[in-house]
Amino acid sequence: AQSVTQLDSHVSVSEGTPVLLRCNYSSSYSPSLFWYVQHPNKGLQLLLKYTSAATLVKGINGFEAEFKKSETSFHLTKPSAHMSDAAEYFCVVSEGNSGYSTLTFGKGTMLLVSP
Amino acid sequence: DGGITQSPKYLFRKEGQNVTLSCEQNLNHDAMYWYRQDPGQGLRLIYYSQIVNDFQKGDIAEGYSVSREKKESFPLTVTSAQKNPTAFYLCASSATGYNEQFFGPGTRLTVL
Repeated sequence: AQSVTQLDSHVSVSEGTPVLLRCNYSSSYSPSLFWYVQHPNKGLQLLLKYTSAATLVKGINGFEAEFKKSETSFHLTKPSAHMSDAAEYFCVVSEGNSGYSTLTFGKGTMLLVSP
Repeated sequence: DGGITQSPKYLFRKEGQNVTLSCEQNLNHDAMYWYRQDPGQGLRLIYYSQIVNDFQKGDIAEGYSVSREKKESFPLTVTSAQKNPTAFYLCASSATGYNEQFFGPGTRLTVL
């Protein structure tokens, strides 16, 4: 069985400072991992995905995440926060990277960015 | 533009009424999904369909029903048996051979 734990329900940063959103996962197989972002009352947008290629994954809007198998972690980072980054972020795990497989979502981390 | 559309954006219904949420995609994806989102709980899978005329229950299917008569469409009916239907509902789709899912803008259902 697969599961995801997002370690912080809320993270507050100032504009221009680094962002760190933490995610740990559990999976019986080689997982695919994703980060999605959701702005208020909107659908989810894919930020980045890991599918057993390079462990450091670069996504859109300056975000990146590092897959660490030994720590079962997939933390999301950004060097400098922007006001437009304020949103809810979901870490997602999927077992296998081809064919059909279900996604398991974390409960989300709300990122607050202050001027 | 390719994408997923959900309608309506906001929906209000009286308790005890069935209501159907629309989901259409023009991405030519085989698989489609319905999720329910409640504050602080992430997304939970209601139903999914890998191919036309076939669908499977997800984690919280009780009180919901779906159909998949066309590849492009996957409507969700919230029945009166659903005890707490007020929520944000998201539809998604994915291509065969890929587990990345693309999401629609969502429908917020409020039952009065």
